[in-house]
Amino acid sequence: GGIITQTPKFLIGQEGQKLTLKCQQNFNHDTMYWYRQDSGKGLRLIYYSITENDLQKGDLSEGYDASREKKSSFSLTVTSAQKNEMAVFLCASSLGGRRDTQYFGPGTRLLVL
Amino acid sequence: AQKVTQTQTSISVMEKTTVTMDCVYETRDSSYFLFWYKQTASGEIVFLIRQDSYKKENATEGHYSLNFQKPKSSIGLIITATQIEDSAVYFCAMREGTNTEGADRLTFGKGTQLIIQP
Repeated sequence: GGIITQTPKFLIGQEGQKLTLKCQQNFNHDTMYWYRQDSGKGLRLIYYSITENDLQKGDLSEGYDASREKKSSFSLTVTSAQKNEMAVFLCASSLGGRRDTQYFGPGTRLLVL
Repeated sequence: AQKVTQTQTSISVMEKTTVTMDCVYETRDSSYFLFWYKQTASGEIVFLIRQDSYKKENATEGHYSLNFQKPKSSIGLIITATQIEDSAVYFCAMREGTNTEGADRLTFGKGTQLIIQP
């Protein structure tokens, strides 16, 4: 088995601030993902990466940057936090095959004051 | 473009009964994979069960099973003998099998909240 760790668990930021979220996995998975979930809503894909140093845009990439520093880690940066923004950011990973399931981290809860 | 729709926003059933959650999908791909995930109140998301489009048999996993109706592009999740701890939000998702664009992406539905009453 393996685990996905996301840091921090909670993030409170100020309007306009650049905020970075981190994700680590020890599954040795090739593909990693960042999703955003707003209260009571589904998951929207922000960025994903199929291998180290690869980066693919999702449906919600505007306003975000991402970095796959190494196979086990994937970072997401909110380039300019929006006032009153509140969401959960979920990291996931998978082996990369089409039938392979994604495993999710516990999430980072963001609140912008 | 692929699309996944869950029309039921919320379902409430009594404990120990059977419940079915609906999901319909759109794809032009001849091969695809369908997944169901569960998100608990703590926010944890776990994989439940998968159906491969080329398989005629409905997938089963413990007290979860699928009702795969390919002509209707439908993949219902059936939970038998429901327990209080089955209360959660259930997401349906799809990945296309041969389309190279966005091959590594899952498309999620908006979820169905299941409430199990004692």
